Formats: sequence, C-alpha cells, structure tokens
Amino acid sequence: RKEVEQDPGPFNVPEGATVAFNCTYSNSASQSFFWYRQDCRKEPKLLMSVYSSGNEDGRFTAQLNRASQYISLLIRDSKLSDSATYLCVVSRYNQGGKLIFGQGTELSVKP
Amino acid sequence: DADVTQTPRNRITKTGKRIMLECSQTKGHDRMYWYRQDPGLGLRLIYYSFDVKDINKGEISDGYSVSRQAQAKFSLSLESAIPNQTALYFCATSALDIEETQYFGPGTRLLVL
Repeated sequence: RKEVEQDPGPFNVPEGATVAFNCTYSNSASQSFFWYRQDCRKEPKLLMSVYSSGNEDGRFTAQLNRASQYISLLIRDSKLSDSATYLCVVSRYNQGGKLIFGQGTELSVKP
Repeated sequence: DADVTQTPRNRITKTGKRIMLECSQTKGHDRMYWYRQDPGLGLRLIYYSFDVKDINKGEISDGYSVSRQAQAKFSLSLESAIPNQTALYFCATSALDIEETQYFGPGTRLLVL
C-alpha cells in the first residue's frame, strides 16, 4: 500500500464547477501536509500548506482530518487555468524535510 | 533567471552508458534533493543532501549516485544506464525552516534505449 494515496482521476469538470480531491495517508507520524500543483510536463509547485484548523486561499480550501488520516482540497468556481495535476504531499519532522508524494489527481476544466 | 536549473533538459542515451544530470540553485538553500517521476507512480526520492558533507539515500537509490560539489550544486549520475531508468528527473531545494517548501527545477527528460 502506498503511503499517500489519491484518486488519479481524471476529473473532467465544466468551468464554474466545484471540485473536491481527497487524499489518505497511512503513517500516523506524518506531521506536515501540503498540496502541490503540477502543470503538464512542468515542475511541481507548492499550492498551499494544510493546517489542522483548515485553511483557505481564495477559491481553494484545504482541510486535514488527523483522526481519519485524510486530507482534502476543494476548488470553487473552477477556471480553465486550474487544469493541472494536484499532488498530495506529507512529511514527518523526524525525516528532516523529506516529502512523500501521492501519485497526483488530474483535473481538466472544460469551457 | 530561474532559481533552480537543471542540465540537460532532455537526453537520449544508450544502455550501459554513464550519464550525469546537473542541478544548480541560487536560492541559498542547504537542502537539495533528486526525484524521479514515472506515470502513475508520482515522485520518488532518489537521494538527498542536507549540506555539502551530507548525502543520504532515498527510496530508490539503486543504480544512482550523487555528488554535492558545493552548496549550490548537486549532481546525479547513472553509472550504467538501463531502460527502466527512463523517466522525468527533478532536482529540488529547500531551506531549513518550518515551512519545508521544496522548490523544483524544470526537470530533465531522460530516455534510455
């Protein structure tokens, strides 16, 4: 079983739709959580960190449920430019900055 | 100019050849990483270095070696390339801070024939 699991998709949604991505992690020692975005054939870039209290950045909302070992990303009012692969990422403090990546969820927003 | 650069950006080589991928950064970060990405498998850590004198194996280090020539430079070598090392390779850097954000280079596409 992979340490970080995501639904690979693809998710095909119309512009303006709300879409949610889910991610589960297996190691309860995981301490930090992130969503990265990767455009086709490009490098991953940090989208947002995920905090226990949940956090929002414009149209993007990330939530963490430590008890269920579950992370989510909600995108409201989808734009064409949101089309990308979204990577769920975790790390553990005792691993000194090593990140564990999920395989990514592909999103395609259509006109 | 990009903060993290990788050379070459694309490379085709033959089985058994030695190849080196290079990474340079201007972010002043101590920590550097090499990953490979394969379809359906996500990014997997090959090697990482927390400073010039520190080298650590990652999840899939077999068949690879690295050299941290300076704070700003971290190179990855395939001593004898094989076809299943065909992949997209990323270098990344991070600072020693609570945020743990990693900054990635543009990637090197490697094809081993």
